[in-house]
Parts: sequence; C-alpha cells; structure tokens
Amino acid sequence: KAGVTQTPRYLIKTRGQQVTLSCSPISGHRSVSWYQQTPGQGLQFLFEYFSETQRNKGNFPGRFSGRQFSNSRSEMNVSTLELGDSALYLCASSLVPPYEQYFGPGTRLTVT
Amino acid sequence: AQRVTQPEKLLSVFKGAPVELKCNYSYSGSPELFWYVQYSRQRLQLLLRHISRESIKGFTADLNKGETSFHLKKPFAQEEDSAMYYCALIGTNTDKLIFGTGTRLQVFP
Repeated sequence: KAGVTQTPRYLIKTRGQQVTLSCSPISGHRSVSWYQQTPGQGLQFLFEYFSETQRNKGNFPGRFSGRQFSNSRSEMNVSTLELGDSALYLCASSLVPPYEQYFGPGTRLTVT
Repeated sequence: AQRVTQPEKLLSVFKGAPVELKCNYSYSGSPELFWYVQYSRQRLQLLLRHISRESIKGFTADLNKGETSFHLKKPFAQEEDSAMYYCALIGTNTDKLIFGTGTRLQVFP
C-alpha cells in the first residue's frame, strides 16, 4: 500500500499570503488529521476529519481551516500568513479512530 | 486538562546500556497511550501502543494508571535506536493525538 502523501513538500510564502496544503491518505483510510510541528511548540493538533466531517479542532486561530473530500483526500488552508506559521505540517490517516495513525512526510512551510 | 509530559529533552547513553524514556500524562478518562519515533530524515511512525502489550525493536512500555505514567524501556540500547521519541495519548472516539514535547535519545558506540 502506498503511504500517506503530502504536497507540496516545501513551500515559501510571504506574510499576508494564503496557502493550501494537500494530503492523500492511505487507500481505505477515512480519517485524516493535521498537526503542526515547530521547534518551540512541538507537535500540536490542528484538526481531524472523518467522512468529510470535522470532528475535532485544535486551539488555532480561524485563519487555519481544512476540509475533506469524498475520496478522503484532505486540504488545509492558512490565510493571511504570519511569520509564526512557519512550520512542518503533518498529515496522518487512520482506518477508523482510534486506530494507528500513519503519518505523511510533511510539508515544510516557510513564511518570509 | 489533557497533557503529556516528557521531562527529558535529551537522553544520552552508551551502546548496551539500559534506556528509560519517561512519560507522564493527565487525562480525565481512560486514554490510549502511544510511543512514536522519528528517525533522522524519516517520517513519524508508531513504535508501540499500550493495548498491544508487545515489544517492538526490544522496547516495551507499561501503563501505570496509579502513577499516570507510560515509560518506554529497553534493556540494551543500540546505536540505531538514536532518534526522537514522542509519547502521545488519544481520547475516546477521536483521532486527536496529544503529544509530549519529545525526548531525543542519543546512543553512543
């Protein structure tokens, strides 16, 4: 089985712009979660989708949003980028919560 | 509040020495506990989960509900064990993983 894939792998944006990151889960997995990883804050939960419904949301501002499509692929969007949004964004998929989550390689976002 | 605490940022040992990576948690309920590992230039991957009660790569972890701990242990460390280790918990009917800050394990030859 192919693993979780994330595109793009690297992204450089300037403050004020918006960005969309994409995640393709493992085939058959219906749950997708997003995490932000930074040296200062570590791994922080952003949101979780299951069957196109957002089930949980972390403590992030409304500039962070996401969605899941009928094929379980997911996107997250960050609007009005700030320097502090620079991070590695990880996506993880699982069959049905709370089974093992499989992580993608991440998208490294740099905001200048 | 739901929280996972890993008190050590860095743990350095010599090859063949025992290893214990500490993890304490707070959660109102019965969480499921995990250890994830991230080797250099590799993606985050599950090492083990408490309900499996299995040993992976020589590592074991026992859930102590009284002490709310889930320490990761290995009797004899190997150089290839050098990596970043994250303890995490998950609540009921959710995929929301709450991670600790991680412990970097360095195993010297």
